[in-house]
Amino acid sequence: DSGVTQTPKHLITATGQRVTLRCSPRSGDLSVYWYQQSLDQGLQFLIQYYNGEERAKGNILERFSAQQFPDLHSELNLSSLELGDSALYFCASSTSGGASGANVLTFGAGSRLTVL
Amino acid sequence: DQQVKQNSPSLSVQEGRISILNCDYTNSMFDYFLWYKKYPAEGPTFLISISSIKDKNEDGRFTVFLNKSAKHLSLHIVPSQPGDSAVYFCAATSNYQLIWGAGTKLIIKP
Repeated sequence: DSGVTQTPKHLITATGQRVTLRCSPRSGDLSVYWYQQSLDQGLQFLIQYYNGEERAKGNILERFSAQQFPDLHSELNLSSLELGDSALYFCASSTSGGASGANVLTFGAGSRLTVL
Repeated sequence: DQQVKQNSPSLSVQEGRISILNCDYTNSMFDYFLWYKKYPAEGPTFLISISSIKDKNEDGRFTVFLNKSAKHLSLHIVPSQPGDSAVYFCAATSNYQLIWGAGTKLIIKP
């Protein structure tokens, strides 16, 4: 158990629908990162939050949004879902806001989204 | 523009031998390099890192070498064990961003 909790583990939904993925960071970590991994692809960085504020944005579609709440948990909202959104979505957390060498990311087990 | 490249999608190594995973990068401003290991259906886990001011870092069976002039780093695993079979990601940091390679799938053969 890495200490980063992601729910749900699996989710099957239809095209056009909207889903919310939830992440609780490791205790004491202020930063939350969201990544997408499509089939046999590398990790695509979506977005990072630090202590409630958006810190960095990657290849996140406009149909996707995220936020980090005062208790530091984060939610990733995916709307108008398409078949191509089927992927593993990982959340990671870290103690500080920057991705420096000392700032190691701890990943959750991921949420597998299947869009039919 | 892929700033971090892992050109080998997969690598097969005999158990007990050395595994060498390679990573090339283009941005000379990267200040740290990290290796993560990922098993199927699990999140990546941190393995080892190296500062850009060093050329070698060792942790048990894992050693990372950095060649700044060639913009190349490698992860050596000696001896390779069955549990090392996983996908290995190289990542680099610059300006609060963590840039990832596409990963190399390492298969350890008995």
